[in-house]
This record gives sequence, structure tokens and C-alpha cells, in this order.
Amino acid sequence: GAVVSQHPSWVICKSGTSVKIECRSLDFQATTMFWYRQFPKQSLMLMATSNEGSKATYEQGVEKDKFLINHASLTLSTLTVTSAHPEDSSFYICSARSGSGHEQYFGPGTRLTVT
Amino acid sequence: DQQVKQNSPSLSVQEGRISILNCDYTNSMFDYFLWYKKYPAEGPTFLISISSIKDKNEDGRFTVFLNKSAKHLSLHIVPSQPGDSAVYFCAASINYKYIFGTGTRLKVLA
Repeated sequence: GAVVSQHPSWVICKSGTSVKIECRSLDFQATTMFWYRQFPKQSLMLMATSNEGSKATYEQGVEKDKFLINHASLTLSTLTVTSAHPEDSSFYICSARSGSGHEQYFGPGTRLTVT
Repeated sequence: DQQVKQNSPSLSVQEGRISILNCDYTNSMFDYFLWYKKYPAEGPTFLISISSIKDKNEDGRFTVFLNKSAKHLSLHIVPSQPGDSAVYFCAASINYKYIFGTGTRLKVLA
């Protein structure tokens, strides 16, 4: 149980275009989903927290107009990187939490390369 | 400022021996701590956790120790197996929001 999927697993896009990444909880309802970004040899950095049906809460320094997060249902959250630039190239990982538990279950991540 | 630190970027251990991974934190308000294991190109997998009101939690080969006075957390793996080779992240939580350490790459030698 507690499986989280992400799609796509990797994507290459050109500067100035937008990319959407999907995160789905496959066998449980995710009351809260989280989006992280990982740079090479660095830790996971929390970008934003989203609760189903409400606006996402962004961490300091994360541009909410650039990284659009939608959590439309209890099993799906999307992250859209708008007007992508090469510095947005990174590994993006989502996680999901159910109910009041502490454990977060992570997706496999999406490698974004902006050329 | 890194609130959660894993000062050893890598660790090599012989198969069958004990692996000890360490994690230090600075914020005494953290209320929950977790260890995750991560393979390349995959998301982290939950291993074991501990509440701030406890000092030890054990699950099979994995034991997590919490020393609140020292603000120190450790993960013990006994006995270590080659399949344990991965990057291990500790994470500390305040109100269900995680802060991750930078990870320690564990290599278990057969």
C-alpha cells in the first residue's frame, strides 16, 4: 500500500515553455501533498504544501506564479513550471500524507531538463 | 542555515556488521523524526520514525535513537546487508512539515 506515482519520470523542454508534472496517490486518499526539489548532491528542499481543495502554501523563496500547484482531488496534485528556464532544471519529487499520520510517501520523482 | 545536518556524506561497512548513520539538528521544536532510504532516480522510501517524546524505536534490523539533550539522532542497521546500500536521509518535522538532511551514502561491502 501507500503508492505514489509521478508522471512524467523525465522531461526535456525548451526555455520559455511550461511543463506539468502529475502526482497521484494510487491506493489511498492524500489529504496533503508536498512538492520538493532536489539539486545534485543536496537535500530535498520543500517547495510547497497543498491540501485538497485549497491554495498551496509556498516556502520562502519559491515563486508561486512560476510554480503553479493544484490539488484538485484527494488523489491528484499537479505542479506546473511556467516559462521554464535552464536554472529550473532539477529533480522534482512529490509526496503524500494521509490523515493525521506523520509518514509521507514519496513518488519516484521527475527529472526536468530545460534547454 | 541548515537545521538538519548529516555530517558524513558517505559510509562503508562490511556485510554483517553494524551501520550507524548520524544526524544532528538545531531546532528543539522538532516533534518527529524520520529516516528515509533513497535509491538513484527513485523517491525516498520511509524506513523508521520516532516521536520526540521517545528515545528509541526499533523495527527489525533498524533502530533509531534520539538524544534530545544533544539534539542528535542515529540510525543503527544490524546486520548490514548489501541491499542496504543507498542514500539515507534523516528528516525532522514541525507540524508535519519536513526538513531533510543532506544524506549519507551507505555502501555495504560483501
